[in-house]
Amino acid sequence: QVQLQESGPGLVKPSQTLSLTCTVSGGSISSGSYYWSWIRQPAGKGLEWIGRIYTSGSTNYNPSLKSRVTISVDTSKNQFSLKLSSVTAADTAVYYCARGLKTSSFDYWGQGTLVTVSS
Amino acid sequence: QSALTQPASVSGSPGQSITISCTGTSSDVGGYNYVSWYQQHPGKAPKLMIYEVSNRPSGVPDRFSGSKSGNTASLTISGLQAEDEADYYCSSYTSSSTPVFGGGTKLTVL
Repeated sequence: QVQLQESGPGLVKPSQTLSLTCTVSGGSISSGSYYWSWIRQPAGKGLEWIGRIYTSGSTNYNPSLKSRVTISVDTSKNQFSLKLSSVTAADTAVYYCARGLKTSSFDYWGQGTLVTVSS
Repeated sequence: QSALTQPASVSGSPGQSITISCTGTSSDVGGYNYVSWYQQHPGKAPKLMIYEVSNRPSGVPDRFSGSKSGNTASLTISGLQAEDEADYYCSSYTSSSTPVFGGGTKLTVL
């Protein structure tokens, strides 16, 4: 059974960089044809896809966030990471990591981690 | 990459059937048979309920079914149960090869 777990600071100051890591267990991040994605959800609002990485290192990002997002993978640690720069209060949300299929569905999700942007 | 359109809320009584719509364009919902549906209970992560328009992952009750016509996909829940009360989100593959979500629908079981 694949499991994903987000980790990282729960509080980030405005203009700084948000950094989160997703640890995958129960299977190798390198096996299979999966995309490893980050998705966020502001309180009381809907889901927003942030971006994804394939184990080859290729990435795709949401155009609305592309200039501020970097997603990377560390196959030796079975982890992938998110960096979101120049954050503002609008970036306050629960951040999820998820395993994605080529058809863009997500079959496994982390429990989510709340990141608050505040001074 | 505009969000797909879902009704804000739907409701039904136990035992009844409800349908949630998800409207996109020919560049997403209408162009591919890659629509998914997720159930989200308060404080929990979304759970995949339907993939590729009408397929159910193992463990999802057959009360949940999906379909698509043109640019609109639909999720139908039959034999509504109290535990089905949750938020539901659709998503679709797009012509950019990336996913897009709907705005979400709150299902209330009366």
